[in-house]
Amino acid sequence: DGGITQSPKYLFRKEGQNVTLSCEQNLNHDAMYWYRQDPGQGLRLIYYSQIVNDFQKGDIAEGYSVSREKKESFPLTVTSAQKNPTAFYLCASSMGGRSVAQYFGPGTRLLVL
Amino acid sequence: GENVEQHPSTLSVQEGDSAVIKCTYSDSASNYFPWYKQELGKRPQLIIDIRSNVGEKKDQRIAVTLNKTAKHFSLHITETQPEDSAVYFCAASSTLSFGAGTTVTVRA
Repeated sequence: DGGITQSPKYLFRKEGQNVTLSCEQNLNHDAMYWYRQDPGQGLRLIYYSQIVNDFQKGDIAEGYSVSREKKESFPLTVTSAQKNPTAFYLCASSMGGRSVAQYFGPGTRLLVL
Repeated sequence: GENVEQHPSTLSVQEGDSAVIKCTYSDSASNYFPWYKQELGKRPQLIIDIRSNVGEKKDQRIAVTLNKTAKHFSLHITETQPEDSAVYFCAASSTLSFGAGTTVTVRA
């Protein structure tokens, strides 16, 4: 678990502002993921990346953007186009492919001022 | 993405009794089915998983069963203890979909 970190733990966004959530892993995992968790709705996939410099949209990508310039890092930007950003955001990583376990970071709670 | 249905949404059991959570999936291409446990305020952690070439897997008090024909799989927790209280999520591999979660409460 200590191999994947997220920062900050809490983040406050003003209306119209873009904010970036950090996710770093030292597990040498090829794949990284971003999920959004809302009460009673489980985990919904925002974006995922199977390899550096490549990423795909998940089920709820609208209003979000990502980059994967380094194997260790997969930052998520919540743009002003995301009208309901208040949620718990979880980053995860895995060795690659869909049929392996994912390891989750501690999460970032995003709140709107 | 694939729809993974998880039931029940909440489950309250007496300490020492068993708990069963069931998930159904729609994509027959799914071949890996993990279960995660999330304690309050913490990250989800893998507790057990099963692949499509296996019908059942056990790890101490936890077991998972898979019925590929019916496209459902279940988590079984025996001799429940207070530390089993958490939210449990199932997932199906093909489209990285998670169930909505089951909140398990073990009553002392």
